[in-house]
Amino acid sequence: ILNVEQSPQSLHVQEGDSTNFTCSFPSSNFYALHWYRWETAKSPEALFVMTLNGDEKKKGRISATLNTKEGYSYLYIKGSQPEDSATYLCASNNAGNMLTFGGGTRLMVKP
Amino acid sequence: GAGVSQSPSNKVTEKGKDVELRCDPISGHTALYWYRQSLGQGLEFLIYFQGNSAPDKSGLPSDRFSAERTGGSVSTLTIQRTQQEDSAVYLCASSLDWARNTEAFFGQGTRLTVV
Repeated sequence: ILNVEQSPQSLHVQEGDSTNFTCSFPSSNFYALHWYRWETAKSPEALFVMTLNGDEKKKGRISATLNTKEGYSYLYIKGSQPEDSATYLCASNNAGNMLTFGGGTRLMVKP
Repeated sequence: GAGVSQSPSNKVTEKGKDVELRCDPISGHTALYWYRQSLGQGLEFLIYFQGNSAPDKSGLPSDRFSAERTGGSVSTLTIQRTQQEDSAVYLCASSLDWARNTEAFFGQGTRLTVV
């Protein structure tokens, strides 16, 4: 089983702050890195699927970067809003095999 | 339906009883996962089905857990002789094809409580 780690485990920010968190994953036999957003009482929903080194994806105020050589990805949220409060999960797909999830970063945005 | 459907949404069972959890993936999705989230923990991988290949059962925590996927579609996760530590939210996800690196779609989960 792969080792996918996320940091920090939890994060409190004020509304309007920009924030970022990290996902580290094995770089060997890399296929794809996924980011999901998991709101309380809902099921996880995909934000990004990234495959290429140097890839950068953006959806509204959320963006992500990928470094496959060193095995890390950053998720950025610009101008956090209370509705951004959720757990953000990353998952690595290595060797075209199953997805292995990290423990998540729980983000709480205070109004 | 259009999404991944899981049933039941909630299940309370007595310790020692068997339970069956059901997952209906999105039609045409060849990959299907079961995960669980225990209180305060992250997503724990249980089992993975990909097409007609033998399932990856490496995440099943004990031989009380088993899963099958009939006809490449519906999957059932069975827990025999449930224990209190089995209490968790069990999530199912499906994807079109892992080789194409498409996103996973999750069901709403089954909250299992063993009393």
